[in-house]
Amino acid sequence: AQRVTQPEKLLSVFKGAPVELKCNYSYSGSPELFWYVQYSRQRLQLLLRHISRESIKGFTADLNKGETSFHLKKPFAQEEDSAMYYCASPNYGGATNKLIFGTGTLLAVQP
Amino acid sequence: ETGVTQSPTHLIKTRGQQVTLRCSSQSGHNTVSWYQQALGQGPQFIFQYYREEENGRGNFPPRFSGLQFPNYSSELNVNALELDDSALYLCASSLAGGRGNEQFFGPGTRLTVL
Repeated sequence: AQRVTQPEKLLSVFKGAPVELKCNYSYSGSPELFWYVQYSRQRLQLLLRHISRESIKGFTADLNKGETSFHLKKPFAQEEDSAMYYCASPNYGGATNKLIFGTGTLLAVQP
Repeated sequence: ETGVTQSPTHLIKTRGQQVTLRCSSQSGHNTVSWYQQALGQGPQFIFQYYREEENGRGNFPPRFSGLQFPNYSSELNVNALELDDSALYLCASSLAGGRGNEQFFGPGTRLTVL
């Protein structure tokens, strides 16, 4: 079965430190991958998608097909980046464009 | 542009009862997906509705059922509630054939089963 894996439940860094949130996927083709973010008391929202190759709030993510990874990075963490981050991939091979989510990583940026 | 809305915000039920959760999709979206998010887990796909028909289902028993209405709003019904049904239920809307698989989420309904 297709899977998205986020190995870290919690990542704690100090303000100004670099951040890397890990995500690995199991699909063998060229997947479309997303990072969703959930700030405290807010709804789940799309942060970025790899096909856009964009940088949102200083975050970037590069698809590495060799390592089947889509890690989320930011060079200098800010306190307002503290949130729950989910990596997600569409389900390929099925009739539905459902999303398969990882278990999430809580990013805590300390002052 | 109106975002995805869900009601109620919170709900407490007892085992064996039935519950109905509601979702209004974002303006212009014709597809609604429902997800269950248990504590400490990522959202798990329940099912999706497109043009008032179920369009795919996850690994959930038949006591989880749904509807989509002509205005694309949707309901999730759960019969014979069990303790493990306690979770945050998320609705997401999207436009079939739109920007890939981008889905827009509502704030969720927190269901507690006692």
